[in-house]
Amino acid sequence: GQQVMQIPQYQHVQEGEDFTTYCNSSTTLSNIQWYKQRPGGHPVFLIQLVKSGEVKKQKRLTFQFGEAKKNSSLHITATQTTDVGTYFCAGVAGTASKLTFGTGTRLQVTL
Amino acid sequence: DGGITQSPKYLFRKEGQNVTLSCEQNLNHDAMYWYRQDPGQGLRLIYYSQIVNDFQKGDIAEGYSVSREKKESFPLTVTSAQKNPTAFYLCASSINRAHSGELFFGEGSRLTVL
Repeated sequence: GQQVMQIPQYQHVQEGEDFTTYCNSSTTLSNIQWYKQRPGGHPVFLIQLVKSGEVKKQKRLTFQFGEAKKNSSLHITATQTTDVGTYFCAGVAGTASKLTFGTGTRLQVTL
Repeated sequence: DGGITQSPKYLFRKEGQNVTLSCEQNLNHDAMYWYRQDPGQGLRLIYYSQIVNDFQKGDIAEGYSVSREKKESFPLTVTSAQKNPTAFYLCASSINRAHSGELFFGEGSRLTVL
C-alpha cells in the first residue's frame, strides 16, 4: 500500500534558525496537503499542492511539490516559538485512493 | 460558530467494555472521517463516510464500528475486540468527495483503557 515517510522525526532549533521537513511517498501523488498540530491540539490544515514543481509561500513558510510528484518539503525561515508543533504531510495517490498521512516531524524551538 | 465537536475529551474505561465517541459537525460537509493517533505517530484512518447511511473501512477498521444516520453525526464505537484501544481519536470532515480536499478536525477524544 501507499507509504508516506517524513524526515526528520524530530528537530530542535534555536529561535531564528531555519527548519525544513521532507515528505517522501512510495507512489506518485495527485496532491499533497500539509497540516500543523500544536502540542495537545488537533491538526490544522496549512496548504494543498497539486501541480508538479509547485511552490507556495505563506509568510515565513515555503511549500514545494517535487517534479515527479513523489516528494514535498516545508521550509520555515527564521523560526519562532509559535512554530512549535508537529508538521504532517498527507498525500493522495489517485482518485480512488485514500489520503495517507506521513509520520510527522516534531519541531521544538527554544530561545 | 461552525465546527466539529467531539465528546468526551477524556475517557477512561475498563478492558472489555465498548465505548462510543461522539462527533458532530455543523459545517454541512458531506464526508466525515475517524483517525487514530498514537504517541509520536501519524494519523491512521479507521473509517470514513461520504454520504448518509454509507461508510467505508479505512486502514485499521478491525475492532471499531461506525454509523452515519444523519449528515451531522458520525459516532465511533471502540469495541472490546480492539486489542489496543488506548489512543487519541480524531474526527474530521471535508466539504466534498472523501479524500479530495482540506480536512477540518475536531479537538479529539483521548481514550485510556485501564
